[in-house]
Amino acid sequence: GAVVSQHPSWVICKSGTSVKIECRSLDFQATTMFWYRQFPKQSLMLMATSNEGSKATYEQGVEKDKFLINHASLTLSTLTVTSAHPEDSSFYICSARPHHRAADTQYFGPGTRLTVL
Amino acid sequence: GNSVTQMEGPVTLSEEAFLTINCTYTATGYPSLFWYVQYPGEGLQLLLKATKADDKGSNKGFEATYRKETTSFHLEKGSVQVSDSAVYFCALRGNQGGKLIFGQGTELSVKP
Repeated sequence: GAVVSQHPSWVICKSGTSVKIECRSLDFQATTMFWYRQFPKQSLMLMATSNEGSKATYEQGVEKDKFLINHASLTLSTLTVTSAHPEDSSFYICSARPHHRAADTQYFGPGTRLTVL
Repeated sequence: GNSVTQMEGPVTLSEEAFLTINCTYTATGYPSLFWYVQYPGEGLQLLLKATKADDKGSNKGFEATYRKETTSFHLEKGSVQVSDSAVYFCALRGNQGGKLIFGQGTELSVKP
């Protein structure tokens, strides 16, 4: 089946630093990738949708200058948390939709745990 | 707006027990409904789905029926196995497409 990887799986950083999380589709091309955030015991919240070669579309309330998304190729999207603060600590999950597949088809990565000290 | 509510976990069952995880939703129109499963250390996987009222989604012994009259999509399995231990997410997508809306997830632990 289709596999999506994320790197790193967990990261600890100091307040004020920036952290980059990679999302890769390993065996398919993804024209659309999604970034979610999950707080403990809460649901996944969509942060943004990125299409290859264009700017990401951010959900209401998500700071685009804080969470920079780049989707430079059909197999890679990156999320950069800039000037991270403790409140940015969370579980970040990406998903990818294969090229020419229905809107219901999304394959999820295993997530990245970010802890900001 | 659209929303999904699931029963809180964790749910702990013995092997071969009957499983029900409740899910109710709020949405305008006729959303599509989904159950996703997340095994430890892995990404969410689509378990089953239903796209219209009275449809039954099924996979791997799990079933869920789209009940518009009760706005529910409860997940059931007649006999759980230890390998079913995972977190289960109910989700919907509005009838005009758009983003997935997830419930908060229910952790299931099956003991031998």
